[in-house]
Amino acid sequence: QSALTQPASVSGSPGQSITMSCTGTSSDVGGYNYVSWYQQHPGKAPKLMIYDVSNRPSGVSNRFSGSKSGNTASLTISGLQAEDEADYYCSSYTSTSTLVLFGGGTKLTVL
Amino acid sequence: EVQLVESGGGLVKPGGSLRLSCAASGFTFSTYSINWVRQAPGKGLEWVSSITSSNSYIYYADSVKGRFTISRDNAKNSLYLQMNSLRAEDTAVYYCARDLLAHHYNFDYWGQGTLVTVSS
Repeated sequence: QSALTQPASVSGSPGQSITMSCTGTSSDVGGYNYVSWYQQHPGKAPKLMIYDVSNRPSGVSNRFSGSKSGNTASLTISGLQAEDEADYYCSSYTSTSTLVLFGGGTKLTVL
Repeated sequence: EVQLVESGGGLVKPGGSLRLSCAASGFTFSTYSINWVRQAPGKGLEWVSSITSSNSYIYYADSVKGRFTISRDNAKNSLYLQMNSLRAEDTAVYYCARDLLAHHYNFDYWGQGTLVTVSS
């Protein structure tokens, strides 16, 4: 089972907004609203930023938002800040034997 | 405060075995599904295994099926991963992670990870 497809890198300047994508199939992203987004700083454990496509856990800034259209989910970060620079991973439940798929990760650079 | 603390990682030869543990605190462990997720050095995340709150359902990634066994002891607030027939490609940091919502596979709390290195 292939991983979900994410761009290797995105960048933006402080204060700007960026959107990163996560593309799967109808067996995962497109078929279920169980898409999550994680932020990971170097040497740290991942942190849940968005769950079930568009929900924010308590304590996560409202600058982070998620959406989905067809087989592609998106994470938008508005008002970019230096501390947003990190790797971002999407994940989804899949109806295949793998059960959970992760994307390959997107490195966000704040210029 | 919710805490997950992994232990048991180390250096093991190909074909060897290792048992990882994850000690939970700060929440009612017996009511949550828990997962193992790994990350090879410099690589992305890979889901490994999941176990529901009452051991009713257990799932494995195809890459570890038949070699790894997940288990839990709700009385001890602990999760385990028995890893047998280890291969070089199993080298990774292994995280335990809690399901926010059962069967949604949204991992809201993670441990700090434990490094497993498979090498001769």
